[in-house]
Parts: sequence; C-alpha cells; structure tokens
Amino acid sequence: ELKVEQNPLFLSMQEGKNYTIYCNYSTTSDRLYWYRQDPGKSLESLFVLLSNGAVKQEGRLMASLDTKARLSTLHITAAVHDLSATYFCAVGTAGGTSYGKLTFGQGTILTVHP
Amino acid sequence: SAVISQKPSRDICQRGTSLTIQCQVDSQVTMMFWYRQQPGQSLTLIATANQGSEATYESGFVIDKFPISRPNLTFSTLTVSNMSPEDSSIYLCSVGGSGSVEQYFGPGTRLTVT
Repeated sequence: ELKVEQNPLFLSMQEGKNYTIYCNYSTTSDRLYWYRQDPGKSLESLFVLLSNGAVKQEGRLMASLDTKARLSTLHITAAVHDLSATYFCAVGTAGGTSYGKLTFGQGTILTVHP
Repeated sequence: SAVISQKPSRDICQRGTSLTIQCQVDSQVTMMFWYRQQPGQSLTLIATANQGSEATYESGFVIDKFPISRPNLTFSTLTVSNMSPEDSSIYLCSVGGSGSVEQYFGPGTRLTVT
C-alpha cells in the first residue's frame, strides 16, 4: 500500500525567511504532484514532477524529486504572506488502469507572519 | 487544462437522506475520480469512474453507500446515501488532462449532515 508522508504538518514562518517542506513516499511512482489549497477552496496545481532529479520553479516556490530516495521537496524562498495556505503532495499510481489515482500526504499548513 | 464544475457547491442535509453530486467537465475524459476531504484532513480517493463500466471503489468505500454513475465522457454523479454526520466532508471530482499528466480538481461540494 502506497503511503505518503509530509513534514512538517504545521509551519509558521516569518516573511523573508526560507524553508522546505518534505514529502516521502513508500513505493515506486512515476508522478509526484504539489498542490496548494486556500481555506474553503479547491486544489490548485503547482507542480508535476516526472523523473529523478526533476526540478521546477515558479516564483518563490521550487520543487524537486529524488525517486531513488522516494523524496520530494518544496522549497520556499523569501516567504511572503500570500503564500499562506495548505500544501499537499500527492503521488500518482504508476500505469495500467489505475492511471490518475493519487495518494495524498497529510498536508502542510503554512502560515507566514510579518 | 480541464474546466470542471460541480453542483451543488454546498448543502446541508438531514441524517438518513441522500444527496447526489454532479460533476461536469468541459472536455471528454476517460476516467473521472471522486475524492473526499473530511474536515481538516487530506484527500482520500473514493472511486474511479469509467464511462460504460462499473466504478472501481477503494478500500473502505462501497457502492451501496456511494453509488456512482458515468453516463458519458463529460459527466458523472456521486450519491452519498443514508447520510450520517460522519459524511460531512468536501467531495471533489478530478480528471486528468488530455495528453498530459496533470490532474485537475473541481471546486468541490461542501456537505454538512445534521
């Protein structure tokens, strides 16, 4: 059974600081997703990582994937208040008829303080 | 990208009743997925719906409780039957992008059972 674990689950940051959210998963997968969820809203896709060593960046967020370690990171650079949200990683089930099934981590609630 | 709409956006229902949630996509998709997000929790996959075949349910979810229809390639419904307060959750449908690995989520249906 695929398990996905995020840490930390709660992250309180000061504006301007850097931090990293970690996502570990238990079995081989060919896709790793990062989503953002604002309170009362649906999920916004941030990144899809497909291969070992993949790195993607958008603004102050950068995601990377190490498939050998079964680890993805979401790095936040110089945090701003607008980044306050819940961040989920999700791992896709590889191939076959189950393509598109995602197993989610617990989510990291990020709060950025002035 | 896929544009997904869900109806209703929210509802308050009495214990013992049933609610049918609709999911409409702006393009034809092979698979549609239904997820549940309990209050303050992560997302859990309920079932995968293919057009023209029975839905495939994940462990812990059964057809009698969550019957699903998939009459065509752009539409699906999820019914939450004989509801109890424990069914209070956000229910989201999800589809994959055409020709891509993206997974998109609808706006969700916020269900409260009293």
